[in-house]
This record gives sequence, structure tokens and C-alpha cells, in this order.
Amino acid sequence: KNQVEQSPQSLIILEGKNCTLQCNYTVSPFSNLRWYKQDTGRGPVSLTIMTFSENTKSNGRYTATLDADTKQSSLHITASQLSDSASYICVVLGVGGSYIPTFGRGTSLIVHP
Amino acid sequence: DAGITQSPRHKVTETGTPVTLRCHQTENHRYMYWYRQDPGHGLRLIHYSYGVKDTDKGEVSDGYSVSRSKTEDFLLTLESATSSQTSVYFCAITDSSGNTIYFGEGSWLTVV
Repeated sequence: KNQVEQSPQSLIILEGKNCTLQCNYTVSPFSNLRWYKQDTGRGPVSLTIMTFSENTKSNGRYTATLDADTKQSSLHITASQLSDSASYICVVLGVGGSYIPTFGRGTSLIVHP
Repeated sequence: DAGITQSPRHKVTETGTPVTLRCHQTENHRYMYWYRQDPGHGLRLIHYSYGVKDTDKGEVSDGYSVSRSKTEDFLLTLESATSSQTSVYFCAITDSSGNTIYFGEGSWLTVV
């Protein structure tokens, strides 16, 4: 069964600090992996998308890495801001068949002033 | 932002009543999905559609039905709402490349 596991489940950091969120997946074969940010009361919004051949992708202060051999991805947030407080969701899409992605349960990040 | 509109955005209904949530897209994307999101469970797929009148069940489809008579509209119906269906419902769309999924803003449903 395809699975996406995220860690930690929740994280509290101080404003200005860096943090790294983890995503491990079993989806195979693999098409792409995406990180989404979901603010409270809103729908998820895409941060990055990476295909099998990519191992780093940046979007401002957000940098995602991918190791397709170990089936691991990370999302690094640099110089955190209060607005980074949100849930971060890892989503993996396999190859072929229906377009049904597998979702992680998300990491809840709280940034304190 | 992708053109996805969910309605209603908030609804309170009584147990046993039928409820229909609507998802409308202006992107002409082929794939549409309905998810529910609950604390501790993340996003779970209820039903999805891969074309007009082409739908299939997701992992939590019991108690839900869907219809897609036009490319732009995907309806989710709770035939007889139960308290366990109190949740936030998200519609999502993706094109045939599957590269990005766009989400609506959510519909908050409370069944009392």
C-alpha cells in the first residue's frame, strides 16, 4: 500500500530560526512529489513540485530536497516568519493508473515571536 | 490561483437530511476530487472523477455519492447526513499531466 509518512507531527520554533520537515514515502514507481502549505481555515497551496530526476527545488525561503533512492524528501524553511505558521503537507503521485496522489498527514508548524 | 469555487462554504444541517456540496472549476481540467479533512487523519479521498460521468470511489466513500454532468461541476451528496460526516470538505482539480493539484477553499459542514 502506498504510504507517505511525515515528521515531526508538530513543531514549535522561534521567529528567525530555521527548521526542516521530513517526508518518507513508499509510492513506487514515482512520478512527482509536492509540498503544500495549508493555512488555518484555507485550502492547501502548492510550494514546490519535484520529479524523479530533481533533487533540490527552491521557492523563496522554502527549499525542498528529494532522494529518490531512499524515498525521502525534506522541506527546509530559512529565517522563519510568523506567517510560516501553518500545516505542511507532503503529497506523492505514482506513475500510471489513475491520478490519485497519496497524502501525508502533515506537519503543524508554529512560529513564535 | 486556479479557478475553483466551492459552495456552500459553511453549512449546519440536521442528522438525516440530504446535503449537496458543489465544486465549480473554470480551468477545464479533466480530474476532480472530493476530500475530507479531519484532525489526525489529514486529507482523505472520498470520490474522484476522470471525466464527465466518469467517477470512482476513494478510501472513505461510504455515505457519499457524486455526480459530474459537466466538465466544470462536481457535486458531492450526503444522502442522509450523520454526525460522523461533520468535517471540512475540499474539492481539488488537476490536469492530465497530474503535475499540480489545485484545491478549493473548503466547505465546513456541521451535522447536528
